Amino acid sequence: ETGVTQTPRHLVMGMTNKKSLKCEQHLGHNAMYWYKQSAKKPLELMFVYNFKEQTENNSVPSRFSPECPNSSHLFLHLHTLQPEDSALYLCASSQNIKGREKLFFGSGTQLSVL
Amino acid sequence: DQQVKQNSPSLSVQEGRISILNCDYTNSMFDYFLWYKKYPAEGPTFLISISSIKDKNEDGRFTVFLNKSAKHLSLHIVPSQPGDSAVYFCAASPETSGSRLTFGEGTQLTVNP
Repeated sequence: ETGVTQTPRHLVMGMTNKKSLKCEQHLGHNAMYWYKQSAKKPLELMFVYNFKEQTENNSVPSRFSPECPNSSHLFLHLHTLQPEDSALYLCASSQNIKGREKLFFGSGTQLSVL
Repeated sequence: DQQVKQNSPSLSVQEGRISILNCDYTNSMFDYFLWYKKYPAEGPTFLISISSIKDKNEDGRFTVFLNKSAKHLSLHIVPSQPGDSAVYFCAASPETSGSRLTFGEGTQLTVNP
């Protein structure tokens, strides 16, 4: 148990669906992240939030829309996805976004887009 | 341009022997390096880290070595145990970019009883 909880664990959706991924951290951290892991590829940073404010968008397509209502919750809203978006989506948190922070990851949502 | 590379997708060792996982990087601005371990159906968990002012950091059975001139780091696990079987990710960051980690592709370690 890392203190970062993601739901759902698995999600299958069609290209015309709208769905949301949820992440909650119980560590009192101020920064939250979305990462994408495709098969046989490194983890790719998607978004960074610090104190609810987005500090980084790593050129992510607009069909992925993040939302951070408070420092403990992070959502990733999905709409009109493509099959190539199928991947493991990982949420992470850290105390801050200063250097040398350790990230704590959730278990991820395995997404399949049909 | 992949800045952190783990060239071995898999490694198999016998229980009790040493496991050595390797990682190379290209960005000379990286000054903080971490190893994460990932079991199936779980997220990565932090294992050990090293900053560029050191060339070795040890934590129990796990030791990370950093060779800055070669832009190479390695993780040694001695002795290896079957419970160490997992995917190991190398990650790096430049301090000036905060906790924005760049990850390698991962190495699947299998420790055979």
